[in-house]
Amino acid sequence: NAGVTQTPKFQVLKTGQSMTLQCAQDMNHNSMYWYRQDPGMGLRLIYYSASEGTTDKGEVPNGYNVSRLNKREFSLRLESAAPSQTSVYFCASSAETGANVLTFGAGSRLTVL
Amino acid sequence: QKEVEQNSGPLSVPEGAIASLNCTYSDRGSQSFFWYRQYSGKSPELIMSIYSNGDKEDGRFTAQLNKASQYVSLLIRDSQPSDSATYLCAVNIRGSARQLTFGSGTQLTVLP
Repeated sequence: NAGVTQTPKFQVLKTGQSMTLQCAQDMNHNSMYWYRQDPGMGLRLIYYSASEGTTDKGEVPNGYNVSRLNKREFSLRLESAAPSQTSVYFCASSAETGANVLTFGAGSRLTVL
Repeated sequence: QKEVEQNSGPLSVPEGAIASLNCTYSDRGSQSFFWYRQYSGKSPELIMSIYSNGDKEDGRFTAQLNKASQYVSLLIRDSQPSDSATYLCAVNIRGSARQLTFGSGTQLTVLP
């Protein structure tokens, strides 16, 4: 089983460029999440989707948009990248919102110059 | 005050020793507590969950929860170099729409 798959694994952007991080899970999970991880800051929730067709803001949503394309896929878009968005991004899924047992993707390392 | 606090470390212990990792949380009504392990350059993986006061043992790992004092700890017995990783405490903060709130993690190094 692939679990949670994220693409791309690495990306370098210039300030102002846009990009989309893709995430797909094959575990038939209802809930999906996007986190960012910065040194000394732990994991911070950007957006989550409790179920297909719904999305909600997390702790640090500014500068990001998300789309829950279908039950399997949850994408994260940076419309105008800023150096402050340099981070490692993790997609995760869980069977139910509040189940708290998260399965994470391998991560996407984004650098904004 | 951070909602979930951990000592960032680094924490170093010799092989075979007990490693003790601590976490405090701010919301007295929190109900669910988790420890995730994250190897360098990898994604977090769940190693322990605990929901009620007391100890929960799983192999070499023991999670301890004290809701009155609002702390949760992870003990690793007979530490091995393969246990070297960052350990993330996660708490389901009551009423939080954000679901799990993570601490910043404690970096553990087990010295051969």
